[in-house]
Amino acid sequence: RKEVEQDPGPFNVPEGATVAFNCTYSNSASQSFFWYRQDCRKEPKLLMSVYSSGNEDGRFTAQLNRASQYISLLIRDSKLSDSATYLCVVRRRDDKIIFGKGTRLHILP
Amino acid sequence: DGGITQSPKYLFRKEGQNVTLSCEQNLNHDAMYWYRQDPGQGLRLIYYSQIVNDFQKGDIAEGYSVSREKKESFPLTVTSAQKNPTAFYLCASSTLPGVYGYTFGSGTRLTVV
Repeated sequence: RKEVEQDPGPFNVPEGATVAFNCTYSNSASQSFFWYRQDCRKEPKLLMSVYSSGNEDGRFTAQLNRASQYISLLIRDSKLSDSATYLCVVRRRDDKIIFGKGTRLHILP
Repeated sequence: DGGITQSPKYLFRKEGQNVTLSCEQNLNHDAMYWYRQDPGQGLRLIYYSQIVNDFQKGDIAEGYSVSREKKESFPLTVTSAQKNPTAFYLCASSTLPGVYGYTFGSGTRLTVV
């Protein structure tokens, strides 16, 4: 079992819809959690950190469930520019950072 | 502006050549990392360094070498021993502990010709 797992997609979603991704992690000692966005042939960029109480940044909401060891990302009112690959990232207690393989999202006009 | 710079953006290597990819950061980050990404694949860790003059192997270190003589710089050499070097190489840096995640450079796309 991989340490961080994501559904690879692709998710094909009409513009304006709401889409949610989940990510599971296997190491219960994981310390920090992040969502990164990677556009085609570009570097990953930090989208948002994920806090225990959940957090929101505009149309994006991230949730953490430590008991079930998953994190989620919700995108509301999706835009064409949201099309990208979304990487789930987990930092372990030993400070090693583990990347998921990413979920591809295509927003359809 | 603080950031992390990789060069060159594109690099072509002949069979049997060693090539060096540059990575420089002015974020005052202690830790630096090299990742490789193949098409449609996730990031795989090659080497990382948490302090000057020290570095550790990642998951796929064979055929690669690094140095960390300055805090700001972490060059990666792809040696002729790396059998399949064509890939997208990403350098990243972070504070320690990495509670703020990584900052990535814009990457170097290496192609063997």
